Amino acid sequence: AQSVAQPEDQVNVAEGNPLTVKCTYSVSGNPYLFWYVQYPNRGLQFLLKYITGDNLVKGSYGFEAEFNKSQTSFHLKKPSALVSDSALYFCAVEGGSQGNLIFGKGTKLSVKP
Amino acid sequence: GAVVSQHPSRVICKSGTSVKIECRSLDFQATTMFWYRQFPKQSLMLMATSNEGSKATYEQGVEKDKFLINHASLTLSTLTVTSAHPEDSSFYICSPRGGPDTQYFGPGTRLTVL
Repeated sequence: AQSVAQPEDQVNVAEGNPLTVKCTYSVSGNPYLFWYVQYPNRGLQFLLKYITGDNLVKGSYGFEAEFNKSQTSFHLKKPSALVSDSALYFCAVEGGSQGNLIFGKGTKLSVKP
Repeated sequence: GAVVSQHPSRVICKSGTSVKIECRSLDFQATTMFWYRQFPKQSLMLMATSNEGSKATYEQGVEKDKFLINHASLTLSTLTVTSAHPEDSSFYICSPRGGPDTQYFGPGTRLTVL
């Protein structure tokens, strides 16, 4: 079965420091991988996706993610965190029986000034 | 990105009443609509999938007679929570599919059942 794991419930980073939010996946075939961000009581905002091509994917708001097939990982990164980046981040893979996304449990990112 | 609206954004109702949530894709046509729900501090879980003009497919454990889905047009899908109970309180999010690897999300509806 397809699955996504986000091993960290929360990541704490100081403003200006680099951040990494981890994601690993388990799928059969080639994965379509996504990152979304969710602010309180809001829907999901798309950050980036990996379909094929370059392993380093650049997305919105300065975020990027690196697809690593051997480690089955798709970690989200940003060189310099902002306080406004504080939110809930979801990694997802397209692979449900209906073509839907399967989400990780989410990682809360907290960026302190 | 595409514009997706949900209405209402927030609703509080008494136990036993029914609540209808509308999801509209404003600038594209969605043949497939996913409905997810998200309980507090949890991830999104797929409830059902609907294709325009056909019956919805429900995930295991989701009662089709309780969560009525209508996908009458390519730009409108509705989810009706019938005879709502407090355990149905959740955040409901629609997700129209824009293509093979493109899914959009509505802003969500916070349902609170008293």
